[in-house]
Amino acid sequence: QLQLQESGPGLVKPSETLSLTCTVSGGSISSSSYYWGWIRQPPGKGLEWIGTIYYSGSTYDNPSLKSRVTISVDTSKNQLSLRLTSVTAADTAVYYCARLLTSSGWTFDYWGQGTLVTVSS
Amino acid sequence: DIQMTQSPSSLSASVGDRVTITCRASQSISSYLNWYQQKPGKAPNLLIYTASSLQSGVPSRFSGSGSGTDFTLTISSLQPEDFASYFCQQSYTNPTFGQGTKVEIK
Repeated sequence: QLQLQESGPGLVKPSETLSLTCTVSGGSISSSSYYWGWIRQPPGKGLEWIGTIYYSGSTYDNPSLKSRVTISVDTSKNQLSLRLTSVTAADTAVYYCARLLTSSGWTFDYWGQGTLVTVSS
Repeated sequence: DIQMTQSPSSLSASVGDRVTITCRASQSISSYLNWYQQKPGKAPNLLIYTASSLQSGVPSRFSGSGSGTDFTLTISSLQPEDFASYFCQQSYTNPTFGQGTKVEIK
């Protein structure tokens, strides 16, 4: 059974960098059949796609985040990572990692449990 | 970006009711539309992909229809475990989600 687990600091100061890691177990992040991504959800609000990565390192980011996002993959550790720079209170959210099917567009079929990141001084 | 608009934003229903949620895209997305269920404190769970395909393990009381810009999620007979929020997501271009529909107990 595929499992994804997010980890990282739960509190980040304004203007600093948010860094999260997602560890994949029960499957290989190097599978050619899937992409991997990050999604976030501010408390009580809807879902926002942050970005997507392929095991080869190809990335696709949400333009609305204005180049603040870096997504990377470490195939030796079966992990993907997210860095979001210059954070503000608006970046407070539950951050999810997920696997993406590509056979039907980008469909998120497995999700991590999510991790709450609060931006506050 | 393609904007996704769901309606209603919330609804109250009873166990056994037939429930319909709609999702409209700001431009045609063919059948590239997915539906997710989310319970409080949990990650979303994929229900329907490509508008009408039922994800493995999802009960058959859930169904999806539509193409182009207008889509529908139907729960044929609402069960206690179905009280949750539902989100649509277009997978035609960079993913975007609807704002969600909360299904509450009447």
